Amino acid sequence: NAGVMQNPRHLVRRRGQEARLRCSPMKGHSHVYWYRQLPEEGLKFMVYLQKENIIDESGMPKERFSAEFPKEGPSILRIQQVVRGDSAAYFCASSPPRRGRLYTGELFFGEGSRLTVL
Amino acid sequence: KQEVTQIPAALSVPEGENLVLNCSFTDSAIYNLQWFRQDPGKGLTSLLLIQSSQREQTSGRLNASLDKSSGRSTLYIAASQPGDSATYLCAVRLHNTNAGKSTFGDGTTLTVKP
Repeated sequence: NAGVMQNPRHLVRRRGQEARLRCSPMKGHSHVYWYRQLPEEGLKFMVYLQKENIIDESGMPKERFSAEFPKEGPSILRIQQVVRGDSAAYFCASSPPRRGRLYTGELFFGEGSRLTVL
Repeated sequence: KQEVTQIPAALSVPEGENLVLNCSFTDSAIYNLQWFRQDPGKGLTSLLLIQSSQREQTSGRLNASLDKSSGRSTLYIAASQPGDSATYLCAVRLHNTNAGKSTFGDGTTLTVKP
């Protein structure tokens, strides 16, 4: 059972370009979360999605950032017109759907995508 | 708004020592608390998950406790080894059906010296 898969692992962009980060959750998981880790800082929540729905985007910057989790395919975090301050590690986590008493809400993380903006 | 604090920010111990990492949170209405390990340049590895109804969980040399009333959790590492050197993060998830996000502390960076 493959874990959470993120790609690319490393991405270099020049200021003003677009960055697209992809996340495939664990098999059977329908909840996806994106977190950002700035250099020497902790993980900050960005957005929580279920299939075709954004549940909580309270941590997303108001401009240039968007996320989706389509019915088919991976979740995408898109950053338009990147700036140097966007340089960070972006982590995706997934959890299974809420079903029954065995649901624990445990998060499983990918290896992250490290964005460098020149 | 949930705030999570981890103390100390960094800890250095000799090999073989038992140690305790601390995590405190401001909102006690939690759903679960999860401890992770992060190695430099890597992702997060889940170590232990404690549900709100539980008081502790154990895995090998690790033991995590939870005291909701005081807003605290501890991660106990027995007989530390150099391979335990990493950053340890705690994450708290609130008990709200729609608020699935977890809030992270800034972590404790542990160095175990041979």
